[in-house]
Amino acid sequence: QKEVEQDPGPLSVPEGAIVSLNCTYSNSAFQYFMWYRQYSRKGPELLMYTYSSGNKEDGRFTAQVDKSSKYISLFIRDSQPSDSATYLCAMSAGTGNQFYFGTGTSLTVIP
Amino acid sequence: DTGVSQNPRHKITKRGQNVTFRCDPISEHNRLYWYRQTLGQGPEFLTYFQNEAQLEKSRLLSDRFSAERPKGSFSTLEIQRTEQGDSAMYLCASSLAGRDRFNFGPGTRLTVL
Repeated sequence: QKEVEQDPGPLSVPEGAIVSLNCTYSNSAFQYFMWYRQYSRKGPELLMYTYSSGNKEDGRFTAQVDKSSKYISLFIRDSQPSDSATYLCAMSAGTGNQFYFGTGTSLTVIP
Repeated sequence: DTGVSQNPRHKITKRGQNVTFRCDPISEHNRLYWYRQTLGQGPEFLTYFQNEAQLEKSRLLSDRFSAERPKGSFSTLEIQRTEQGDSAMYLCASSLAGRDRFNFGPGTRLTVL
């Protein structure tokens, strides 16, 4: 079983839609959670960072962590064509430990 | 903050050749990570440094791979006797100790013919 599971999609939505991206994990020691956006042939760009359980909002993006269910989500409101990219979740058990990544979900927002 | 930089951005080599990649982290970051990403997959951890000390290496880092960070600033990743299976994007990331988030560079795309 992989440490982190993420549905690869692809996911296609119309402009303005709310997008929900999800990851599940198996290691209960994970407590640091990140979401990255990666455009084709570019390095991943950090979008959201969350410690432990709860919600975090930044503009159109909301990250949720449910440690009891080992489930994290990223919501994108009012999606734009420029949001079209691959979204990667990543998580770690603690300071200095390696981060484990999902396979990424490919998102296309159609104008 | 000029971000993490990596050179070269692209490298095409023939099987059996040696290649070396360079990563320059964000200047005040004392942690530096190397990851490898193949098409359709998430990044996979290779190794990480705190200052000049290499603290962790993945099983993916075979003896053909060596990474260094001689003065705790830039890092190099060398692959000896390249194989076609080494074709991937090699990503470098850096962070500040105690802050568990990191910034990736643009990556070096390696193609082994």
